[in-house]
Amino acid sequence: QSALTQPPSASGSPGQSVTISCTGTSSDVGGYNYVSWYQHHPGKAPKLIIYEVDKRPSGVPARFSGSKSGNTASLTVSGLQAEDEADYYCNSFVAYFAGNFVVFGGGTKLTVL
Amino acid sequence: QLQLQESGPGLVKPSETLSLTCTVSGGSIISNDYYWGWVRQPPGKGLEWIGTIFYSGITYYKPSLKSRVTISADTSKNQFSLNLSSVTAADTAMYYCVTDRRGRGDYWGQGALVTVSS
Repeated sequence: QSALTQPPSASGSPGQSVTISCTGTSSDVGGYNYVSWYQHHPGKAPKLIIYEVDKRPSGVPARFSGSKSGNTASLTVSGLQAEDEADYYCNSFVAYFAGNFVVFGGGTKLTVL
Repeated sequence: QLQLQESGPGLVKPSETLSLTCTVSGGSIISNDYYWGWVRQPPGKGLEWIGTIFYSGITYYKPSLKSRVTISADTSKNQFSLNLSSVTAADTAMYYCVTDRRGRGDYWGQGALVTVSS
Protein backbone atom coordinates (compact mmCIF):
# COMPACT_ATOMS: atom_id res chain seq x y z
CA GLN A 1 0.00 0.00 0.00
CA SER A 2 1.60 3.28 -1.08
CA ALA A 3 1.65 6.37 1.06
CA LEU A 4 -0.78 9.13 0.21
CA THR A 5 0.76 11.98 -1.80
CA GLN A 6 1.18 15.39 -0.22
CA PRO A 7 3.25 18.35 -1.44
CA PRO A 8 6.47 18.52 0.59
CA SER A 9 6.03 22.18 1.36
CA ALA A 10 3.51 25.01 1.40
CA SER A 11 3.70 28.61 2.52
CA GLY A 12 1.67 31.73 3.06
CA SER A 13 1.79 35.09 4.77
CA PRO A 14 -0.05 35.87 7.99
CA GLY A 15 -3.74 36.34 7.33
CA GLN A 16 -3.67 34.48 4.04
CA SER A 17 -5.18 31.07 3.27
CA VAL A 18 -3.28 27.99 2.21
CA THR A 19 -4.56 24.63 0.99
CA ILE A 20 -2.69 21.34 1.31
CA SER A 21 -3.69 18.40 -0.86
CA CYS A 22 -3.63 14.70 -0.07
CA THR A 23 -3.99 12.40 -3.05
CA GLY A 24 -4.70 8.71 -2.87
CA THR A 25 -6.73 6.22 -4.83
CA SER A 26 -10.23 4.86 -4.96
CA SER A 27 -9.05 2.20 -2.49
CA ASP A 28 -8.30 4.69 0.25
CA VAL A 29 -9.14 8.42 0.12
CA GLY A 30 -11.72 8.02 -2.62
CA GLY A 31 -13.32 4.97 -1.10
CA TYR A 32 -14.06 6.12 2.43
CA ASN A 33 -14.96 9.26 4.32
CA TYR A 34 -12.32 8.44 6.90
CA VAL A 35 -9.64 11.00 6.16
CA SER A 36 -7.92 12.69 9.10
CA TRP A 37 -5.43 15.55 9.29
CA TYR A 38 -2.77 16.15 11.92
CA GLN A 39 -0.67 19.14 12.91
CA HIS A 40 2.79 18.21 14.16
CA HIS A 41 5.14 20.64 15.83
CA PRO A 42 8.70 19.32 16.30
CA GLY A 43 9.23 17.69 19.65
CA LYS A 44 5.53 17.37 20.38
CA ALA A 45 2.93 14.71 19.72
CA PRO A 46 0.84 15.09 16.57
CA LYS A 47 -2.51 16.81 17.10
CA LEU A 48 -5.73 15.79 15.36
CA ILE A 49 -7.27 18.78 13.59
CA ILE A 50 -9.70 17.19 11.12
CA TYR A 51 -11.40 13.78 11.08
CA GLU A 52 -13.89 12.10 8.75
CA VAL A 53 -12.89 14.50 5.96
CA ASP A 54 -14.37 17.70 7.33
CA LYS A 55 -15.11 17.41 11.04
CA ARG A 56 -13.18 19.42 13.62
CA PRO A 57 -12.51 18.11 17.13
CA SER A 58 -13.55 20.30 19.99
CA GLY A 59 -11.07 23.11 20.53
CA VAL A 60 -9.70 23.22 16.99
CA PRO A 61 -10.20 26.68 15.47
CA ALA A 62 -12.65 27.05 12.60
CA ARG A 63 -9.73 28.38 10.54
CA PHE A 64 -8.94 24.75 9.84
CA SER A 65 -11.26 23.06 7.36
CA GLY A 66 -11.23 19.86 5.36
CA SER A 67 -12.82 18.66 2.15
CA LYS A 68 -12.61 15.88 -0.39
CA SER A 69 -13.17 15.50 -4.11
CA GLY A 70 -12.69 12.12 -5.68
CA ASN A 71 -9.37 10.66 -4.61
CA THR A 72 -8.00 13.94 -3.23
CA ALA A 73 -8.59 15.37 0.22
CA SER A 74 -7.65 18.91 1.14
CA LEU A 75 -6.86 20.85 4.27
CA THR A 76 -7.37 24.62 4.19
CA VAL A 77 -5.89 26.89 6.81
CA SER A 78 -7.48 30.33 6.68
CA GLY A 79 -6.21 33.47 8.38
CA LEU A 80 -2.71 32.04 8.76
CA GLN A 81 -1.04 32.65 12.08
CA ALA A 82 2.58 32.22 13.08
CA GLU A 83 1.73 29.26 15.30
CA ASP A 84 0.32 27.40 12.29
CA GLU A 85 3.86 26.79 11.09
CA ALA A 86 4.23 23.01 11.46
CA ASP A 87 4.19 19.75 9.58
CA TYR A 88 0.79 18.53 8.43
CA TYR A 89 -0.12 14.91 7.73
CA CYS A 90 -3.19 13.32 6.25
CA ASN A 91 -4.22 9.71 6.66
CA SER A 92 -6.93 7.45 5.35
CA PHE A 93 -8.58 4.29 6.58
CA VAL A 94 -8.40 1.34 4.20
CA ALA A 95 -10.41 -1.87 4.32
CA TYR A 96 -9.35 -4.82 2.22
CA PHE A 97 -9.86 -8.55 2.13
CA ALA A 98 -7.07 -9.32 4.59
CA GLY A 99 -8.03 -6.67 7.12
CA ASN A 100 -8.08 -2.98 7.80
CA PHE A 101 -5.23 -0.55 8.06
CA VAL A 102 -4.36 3.12 7.90
CA VAL A 103 -2.08 4.88 5.43
CA PHE A 104 -0.43 8.25 6.02
CA GLY A 105 0.66 10.91 3.60
CA GLY A 106 4.30 11.91 3.43
CA GLY A 107 3.69 15.19 5.22
CA THR A 108 3.71 18.87 4.23
CA LYS A 109 5.87 21.48 5.92
CA LEU A 110 3.86 24.68 6.22
CA THR A 111 5.89 27.87 6.49
CA VAL A 112 4.31 31.12 7.59
CA LEU A 113 6.30 33.84 5.84
CA GLN B 1 -9.49 12.91 29.42
CA LEU B 2 -7.44 9.95 28.27
CA GLN B 3 -3.69 10.01 28.77
CA LEU B 4 -1.27 7.62 27.10
CA GLN B 5 2.34 7.03 28.09
CA GLU B 6 4.91 4.92 26.26
CA SER B 7 7.65 3.04 28.10
CA GLY B 8 10.44 0.68 27.12
CA PRO B 9 14.13 0.45 26.23
CA GLY B 10 15.56 3.32 24.25
CA LEU B 11 18.27 1.17 22.67
CA VAL B 12 17.82 -2.16 20.92
CA LYS B 13 20.45 -4.24 19.15
CA PRO B 14 20.05 -5.22 15.50
CA SER B 15 18.18 -8.50 14.96
CA GLU B 16 16.62 -8.31 18.41
CA THR B 17 13.01 -7.50 19.35
CA LEU B 18 11.81 -3.99 20.12
CA SER B 19 9.25 -3.98 22.93
CA LEU B 20 7.20 -0.99 24.04
CA THR B 21 4.26 -0.65 26.40
CA CYS B 22 1.58 2.02 26.46
CA THR B 23 -0.13 2.71 29.76
CA VAL B 24 -3.58 4.27 29.51
CA SER B 25 -5.00 6.46 32.26
CA GLY B 26 -8.20 8.45 32.55
CA GLY B 27 -10.21 5.64 30.98
CA SER B 28 -10.29 1.93 30.30
CA ILE B 29 -8.93 0.13 27.27
CA ILE B 30 -12.02 -2.03 27.59
CA SER B 31 -13.97 0.40 25.48
CA ASN B 32 -16.15 0.13 22.43
CA ASP B 33 -15.11 3.66 21.47
CA TYR B 34 -11.47 3.10 20.64
CA TYR B 35 -8.96 0.85 19.07
CA TRP B 36 -5.44 1.27 20.44
CA GLY B 37 -2.61 1.80 17.99
CA TRP B 38 1.04 2.47 17.34
CA VAL B 39 2.53 5.04 14.95
CA ARG B 40 6.21 5.74 14.38
CA GLN B 41 8.31 8.49 12.85
CA PRO B 42 11.88 7.76 11.72
CA PRO B 43 14.26 10.71 12.07
CA GLY B 44 13.63 13.25 9.33
CA LYS B 45 10.76 11.25 7.85
CA GLY B 46 6.99 11.16 8.05
CA LEU B 47 4.48 9.33 10.21
CA GLU B 48 3.93 5.62 9.65
CA TRP B 49 0.99 3.64 11.02
CA ILE B 50 2.12 0.30 12.46
CA GLY B 51 -0.99 -1.41 13.73
CA THR B 52 -3.93 -1.35 16.09
CA ILE B 53 -5.75 -3.59 18.58
CA PHE B 54 -9.25 -3.75 20.01
CA TYR B 55 -9.53 -4.79 23.65
CA SER B 56 -11.04 -8.10 22.58
CA GLY B 57 -7.78 -8.96 20.84
CA ILE B 58 -8.68 -8.14 17.25
CA THR B 59 -5.58 -6.74 15.56
CA TYR B 60 -4.76 -5.03 12.28
CA TYR B 61 -1.23 -4.48 11.04
CA LYS B 62 0.46 -2.56 8.25
CA PRO B 63 0.85 -5.21 5.55
CA SER B 64 4.57 -4.59 5.00
CA LEU B 65 5.29 -4.99 8.75
CA LYS B 66 2.85 -7.77 9.47
CA SER B 67 5.44 -10.54 9.57
CA ARG B 68 7.42 -8.77 12.33
CA VAL B 69 4.75 -7.03 14.42
CA THR B 70 2.69 -8.20 17.36
CA ILE B 71 0.38 -5.91 19.30
CA SER B 72 -1.21 -7.23 22.47
CA ALA B 73 -3.38 -5.87 25.27
CA ASP B 74 -3.36 -6.46 29.02
CA THR B 75 -6.74 -5.31 30.26
CA SER B 76 -5.81 -6.02 33.89
CA LYS B 77 -3.05 -3.43 33.69
CA ASN B 78 -4.86 -1.10 31.26
CA GLN B 79 -1.92 -1.40 28.90
CA PHE B 80 -1.20 -2.44 25.36
CA SER B 81 2.14 -3.38 23.89
CA LEU B 82 4.14 -3.43 20.67
CA ASN B 83 6.68 -6.09 19.76
CA LEU B 84 8.70 -5.63 16.57
CA SER B 85 11.10 -8.46 15.80
CA SER B 86 14.32 -8.66 13.79
CA VAL B 87 14.91 -4.93 13.96
CA THR B 88 17.39 -3.05 11.81
CA ALA B 89 18.59 0.54 11.78
CA ALA B 90 15.56 1.36 9.62
CA ASP B 91 13.38 0.73 12.67
CA THR B 92 15.02 3.59 14.57
CA ALA B 93 12.18 6.02 15.22
CA MET B 94 10.01 7.89 17.65
CA TYR B 95 7.22 5.50 18.55
CA TYR B 96 3.83 6.86 19.58
CA CYS B 97 0.87 5.06 21.06
CA VAL B 98 -2.47 6.50 20.03
CA THR B 99 -6.19 5.91 20.16
CA ASP B 100 -7.46 4.84 16.78
CA ARG B 101 -10.89 5.10 15.21
CA ARG B 102 -10.43 4.34 11.52
CA GLY B 103 -7.37 6.54 11.43
CA ARG B 104 -8.76 9.17 13.77
CA GLY B 105 -6.19 9.59 16.52
CA ASP B 106 -7.69 11.76 19.23
CA TYR B 107 -5.19 10.98 21.96
CA TRP B 108 -1.44 10.46 21.61
CA GLY B 109 1.37 9.60 23.96
CA GLN B 110 4.39 11.88 24.06
CA GLY B 111 6.46 9.35 22.17
CA ALA B 112 9.39 7.07 22.93
CA LEU B 113 12.61 7.29 20.94
CA VAL B 114 14.00 3.88 20.09
CA THR B 115 17.43 3.57 18.51
CA VAL B 116 18.58 0.35 16.88
CA SER B 117 22.33 0.06 17.22
CA SER B 118 24.95 -2.38 18.37
